[in-house]
Amino acid sequence: QVQLMQSGAEVIRPGSSVKVSCTASGGSFRTYGLSWVRQAPGQGLEWVGGISPLFEKPDYAQKFQGRVTITADESTTTAYLELDTVTSEDTAVYYCATVNLGLGELVHWFHPWGHGTPVTVSS
Amino acid sequence: ETVMTQSPATLSVSPGERATLYCRASQRISTNLAWYQQRPGQAPRLLIYAASSRATGIPARFSGSGSGTDFSLTITSLQSDDSAVYYCQQYNTGATFGQGTRVEIK
Repeated sequence: QVQLMQSGAEVIRPGSSVKVSCTASGGSFRTYGLSWVRQAPGQGLEWVGGISPLFEKPDYAQKFQGRVTITADESTTTAYLELDTVTSEDTAVYYCATVNLGLGELVHWFHPWGHGTPVTVSS
Repeated sequence: ETVMTQSPATLSVSPGERATLYCRASQRISTNLAWYQQRPGQAPRLLIYAASSRATGIPARFSGSGSGTDFSLTITSLQSDDSAVYYCQQYNTGATFGQGTRVEIK
């Protein structure tokens, strides 16, 4: 089974950008995708977007279009989430998770999950 | 966007009893539905995908059903470590989650 290791906690200023990483081990990086889901304190789960090296472009939730960039580096089997112009509403734990590959698109049910990266936006 | 609505918000059940959680989609999603369990301080864990298929290692006490817009998750013989928040999630178009049902063990 794939195992996911995420980068450490971040504290950032409003208006800045944050980049978090998720490194996968086990399995072939081209046989699955990696997606990001966030959870604000005391709140539910929210899908941000996902990527697979097999497909040309990432898949983003409409809410985050234009403000998020998800990339993948096959050489290090690592996916990255970069979120721009952050506000206090972006304070959350950001989880990465593997997703299946459908016919030319990601199939977004999530298994397994990383441990999460806490991101705090504070002045 | 497909909105997922879960009910009830909280369920309090005695050990050994059965719990049934519900999830409704705002539009038809076939069987493109998953269920997750999240214990306090932990990442979510996949229980069910394709509405009724158990993930690897999930005990048979957990079962899912439904298609179209109405779905349910049933947990039989409840145990203390089933105390958690349970989320449904559609993946017919992108991904959206329900708001969660908190299951408490009396």
